[in-house]
Amino acid sequence: EDQVTQSPEALRLQEGESSSLNCSYTVSGLRGLFWYRQDPGKGPEFLFTLYSAGEEKEKERLKATLTKKESFLHITAPKPEDSATYLCAVQAGGGGSNYKLTFGKGTLLTVNP
Amino acid sequence: NAGVTQTPKFRVLKTGQSMTLLCAQDMNHEYMYWYRQDPGMGLRLIHYSVGEGTTAKGEVPDGYNVSRLKKQNFLLGLESAAPSQTSVYFCASSGSTRREQYFGPGTRLTVT
Repeated sequence: EDQVTQSPEALRLQEGESSSLNCSYTVSGLRGLFWYRQDPGKGPEFLFTLYSAGEEKEKERLKATLTKKESFLHITAPKPEDSATYLCAVQAGGGGSNYKLTFGKGTLLTVNP
Repeated sequence: NAGVTQTPKFRVLKTGQSMTLLCAQDMNHEYMYWYRQDPGMGLRLIHYSVGEGTTAKGEVPDGYNVSRLKKQNFLLGLESAAPSQTSVYFCASSGSTRREQYFGPGTRLTVT
């Protein structure tokens, strides 16, 4: 069974204080690892897809990295508008073409001014 | 280009009532999904569809039915609502060549 564990559950930072969120996974043949951002009362917003160990993706203050067992979402010099819940999801390989995702429970990030 | 839209945004049902949630996408995506999101549980897949006229069960399908009569629409039905179905429901879609899923804004359902 595919599993995704995110840590910490909640993280509070001061504006400008860089940090990282962790996503550990077990999956039978990783097809892709996805990061989403979710604001309160809204649907998840797609951020990145990572396909293989060693891959990195960047977008503004966010950088996602991937190893064979975990992914990190690095937040550099965060601003209050980066406050949100960040979700990690994995897509397993194998037979079928359904593209199902298994989600972690998320990390609630709060950035104080 | 509205992306993924969901109707309604909020709904309150009494136990035993039925309702249908509508999801529409304008991205010509092949794949569509219904998730529920509960505190402490994360997003869980209810049903999904890999194309018009096809549906399949996800992780938590009991008590729900779906239909995909048109490529752009995916309907989620509750025949006899139960308090355990109180949740936020999200629809998502993805293309056949790109794997990321795009989500709608959600429907908050309360069953009393």
